[in-house]
Amino acid sequence: AQSVTQLGSHVSVSEGALVLLRCNYSSSVPPYLFWYVQYPNQGLQLLLKYTTGATLVKGINGFEAEFKKSETSFHLTKPSAHMSDAAEYFCAVSASGNTPLVFGKGTRLSVIA
Amino acid sequence: EAGVAQSPRYKIIEKRQSVAFWCNPISGHATLYWYQQILGQGPKLLIQFQNNGVVDDSQLPKDRFSAERLKGVDSTLKIQPAKLEDSAVYLCASSLAGNEQFFGPGTRLTVL
Repeated sequence: AQSVTQLGSHVSVSEGALVLLRCNYSSSVPPYLFWYVQYPNQGLQLLLKYTTGATLVKGINGFEAEFKKSETSFHLTKPSAHMSDAAEYFCAVSASGNTPLVFGKGTRLSVIA
Repeated sequence: EAGVAQSPRYKIIEKRQSVAFWCNPISGHATLYWYQQILGQGPKLLIQFQNNGVVDDSQLPKDRFSAERLKGVDSTLKIQPAKLEDSAVYLCASSLAGNEQFFGPGTRLTVL
């Protein structure tokens, strides 16, 4: 069985500040890990994913995440927040590329001017 | 490339009524998923199709929910009868084998 825990249902940062959204996972098999972003009244958009290989993954809009097996973590970061980053962010895990995603409860990111 | 299409975008019904949602995946995507996203939670899988066959429906409440994917392309999800707790966003996603899932905009269902 797989599960995802996202620490903090709401994170607020100032524009230009570091963004750090935390994600810990549990998986009985080597995980595939994902971060999705959801804007109001829209579907989910993939930010980045880890399958195998390099543990530091770069995604769209300046986001990146690092897979740390020893810590079972896949935290999402961005050096400088922009107002347009305000959205809901979901971390997800799957057993392979063709199996359903198991999502965390999400973290709402607010960016303050 | 056109994305995943879903309709309707919004639906309001009374409890015990029936409702159906439609999904048109990206052309050529053999795998189709339906997820339920309750307010304040992450999406949860309801059913997974591979072409027109069901791969996983273990979390589908089969006493009231049904889904089909005729001809391995479009899919419909039906709820009959609806309960208050079915109020949620229903997301459809599709993928090529072993690749990224692409999500549609979702259908927001309100059950009164």
